[in-house]
Amino acid sequence: QKEVEQNSGPLSVPEGAIASLNCTYSDRGSQSFFWYRQYSGKSPELIMFIYSNGDKEDGRFTAQLNKASQYVSLLIRDSQPSDSATYLCAVNTNAGKSTFGDGTTLTVKP
Amino acid sequence: EAGVAQSPRYKIIEKRQSVAFWCNPISGHATLYWYQQILGQGPKLLIQFQNNGVVDDSQLPKDRFSAERLKGVDSTLKIQPAKLEDSAVYLCASGHEQFFGPGTRLTVL
Repeated sequence: QKEVEQNSGPLSVPEGAIASLNCTYSDRGSQSFFWYRQYSGKSPELIMFIYSNGDKEDGRFTAQLNKASQYVSLLIRDSQPSDSATYLCAVNTNAGKSTFGDGTTLTVKP
Repeated sequence: EAGVAQSPRYKIIEKRQSVAFWCNPISGHATLYWYQQILGQGPKLLIQFQNNGVVDDSQLPKDRFSAERLKGVDSTLKIQPAKLEDSAVYLCASGHEQFFGPGTRLTVL
C-alpha cells in the first residue's frame, strides 16, 4: 500500500463544474496536508494547505480533511480550462517527513 | 521576494559520469528539500535539511547520491556515478509549505 494514494485519472469535467480530487494516506501520525498544482513541464506550485479537520476555503478552492478516515480532498468550483493540470497531494508527518502522491490529472473541457 | 533558484535547468550526461545540482532557497527558509520526479510520478523525497542538519535521507541512494548544505543556505546534490534510471527532474523546495524551484531535468544516456 502506498503511503499517499490518489486516483491517477484522468478526471474530466466541463467548464463551470465542480472538480473533486481525493487523497488517502496511511500514516495516522500525519499532521499537515498540502495540495499542489503541476502544469506539464513545470514544477509544483502550492495551492493550499490544511492542518485541522473540516473545510478550508480559498477562493474557488476548498480543502477538506477527515483525519479519522485518513482522507483529504480538494474541490475546485467553477472549473476553468486553465485549471487543467496534475494535482498533487502531499502529507507531512509530525516529524516533518513529506510524502507525495502520484497526482490526479484534471482536464476541464470548454 | 525571490523564489527558489536552481541550476542548471537541463543536463545531459553519459552513464557513469558525475553531475551536480545547485539550489538557493528562499531567504530565511531553514527547511530545504531535494526531490526526484520521474515522468508520471509524484516527487520522491531524497533528502530534507533543517538549516545545515539532515532531517531525513532515508530514500537517498547513498552509494551514488550525496547532498550537503553548508552554512545552512545553498545546497548541492551530487550523483556519482550516474545510471540510466537517474534520468528525472530534480526539484528543490524550501520552507514548511515547500515552495519549489524550476527543477533540473537530467538525462542520462
